Amino acid sequence: DGGITQSPKYLFRKEGQNVTLSCEQNLNHDAMYWYRQDPGQGLRLIYYSQIVNDFQKGDIAEGYSVSREKKESFPLTVTSAQKNPTAFYLCASSTPLGGNEKLFFGSGTQLSVL
Amino acid sequence: GQSLEQPSEVTAVEGAIVQINCTYQTSGFYGLSWYQQHDGGAPTFLSYNGLDGLEETGRFSSFLSRSDSYGYLLLQELQMKDSASYFCAVRPPGGFKTIFGAGTRLFVKA
Repeated sequence: DGGITQSPKYLFRKEGQNVTLSCEQNLNHDAMYWYRQDPGQGLRLIYYSQIVNDFQKGDIAEGYSVSREKKESFPLTVTSAQKNPTAFYLCASSTPLGGNEKLFFGSGTQLSVL
Repeated sequence: GQSLEQPSEVTAVEGAIVQINCTYQTSGFYGLSWYQQHDGGAPTFLSYNGLDGLEETGRFSSFLSRSDSYGYLLLQELQMKDSASYFCAVRPPGGFKTIFGAGTRLFVKA
């Protein structure tokens, strides 16, 4: 079955540590996204990528980095510069069709600070 | 700027009808989408309105009025499993960036 796979489901970060969240899709979608969700709040865009080897900052990119070396993969690194990383991270992909964009989400990664 | 406003919480009883509103301030967008998210889960797509009017998908309907900068999601014959958060979202033209509202938490009571 096609879909988006995020791993790990739970991740713990120590002070000063960089951690990488994995996101893989087999939907053949061009666009991929990373969102952050804090308890009881909406989704805020961290980074997005329209094509391989290209990505743009979203609304809260500081302290995060991404790469898009393959169409299927869009990993997110939470760097030590991100001082408040505890949140639920969601990866998504889409193939926009004339604006009727439908986002497909992975099951998320809950990141916590030790 | 672009923003979407939704009520933070709505409570309804099983079998009833509930409407979740979404008002927006944005210079333009392709259409209004709705997503459902259960606690700890991934958001899933529910509906899309590219044109003004009502779109119906089973027990769920969604409405858009661009002239009023307003849309809503209508849930009929509520079931306990409908207890979840519901988000409205838009994508402004010229890019791939989707903007989400803060979400409405729906509580369905027996």
